Amino acid sequence: AQSVSQHNHHVILSEAASLELGCNYSYGGTVNLFWYVQYPGQHLQLLLKYFSGDPLVKGIKGFEAEFIKSKFSFNLRKPSVQWSDTAEYFCAVNRGRLGKLIFGQGTELSVKP
Amino acid sequence: EAGVVQSPRYKIIEKKQPVAFWCNPISGHNTLYWYLQNLGQGPELLIRYENEEAVDDSQLPKDRFSAERLKGVDSTLKIQPAELGDSAVYLCASSLGDSYANTGELFFGEGSRLTVL
Repeated sequence: AQSVSQHNHHVILSEAASLELGCNYSYGGTVNLFWYVQYPGQHLQLLLKYFSGDPLVKGIKGFEAEFIKSKFSFNLRKPSVQWSDTAEYFCAVNRGRLGKLIFGQGTELSVKP
Repeated sequence: EAGVVQSPRYKIIEKKQPVAFWCNPISGHNTLYWYLQNLGQGPELLIRYENEEAVDDSQLPKDRFSAERLKGVDSTLKIQPAELGDSAVYLCASSLGDSYANTGELFFGEGSRLTVL
């Protein structure tokens, strides 16, 4: 079945550690890729997105993600996490003109001060 | 600019009771979505509206769920009767864009958390 998979359900890091959250999708053809974040008690919001061009995209708060087409992956990275990055992170895929945004199951990130 | 507004934020009901959720999208956003988010899962699309028209309701359980967006602005999602398995967060989102070119950002509300006892 076509899907979006996030490898880690819960990640616990200390402040200043590096972060990489995995995301794989199984759709063929052209896709648009997103990372959304949900801070505790807040609404889902866009962190970054990839439509085309440079496969390394930069988002807000120092996050970046790399699209590797051959691996059907769009992993999220941050060189040094902060306590305020504690949140749930969702990878999502949109198959362009079909318009439906498909989310992964989410990864909960806990950053210890 | 006001964001997507949803109400109620929390609702506790007994099974077999009806429940309704309301959503007011960002002004000018013609596309409105209702998503279901179960605990530990990502959001799943229930229905998408382009103005007043439901253009994708394939995942909406039509035996008990209904939705409307009569004037192309705010929307209501109803469950009747509710079942235990309906306990979840119901998210509303909106975006700009036409029916077949939605490659942009979705703006989400804070969600309505439903508990069915």
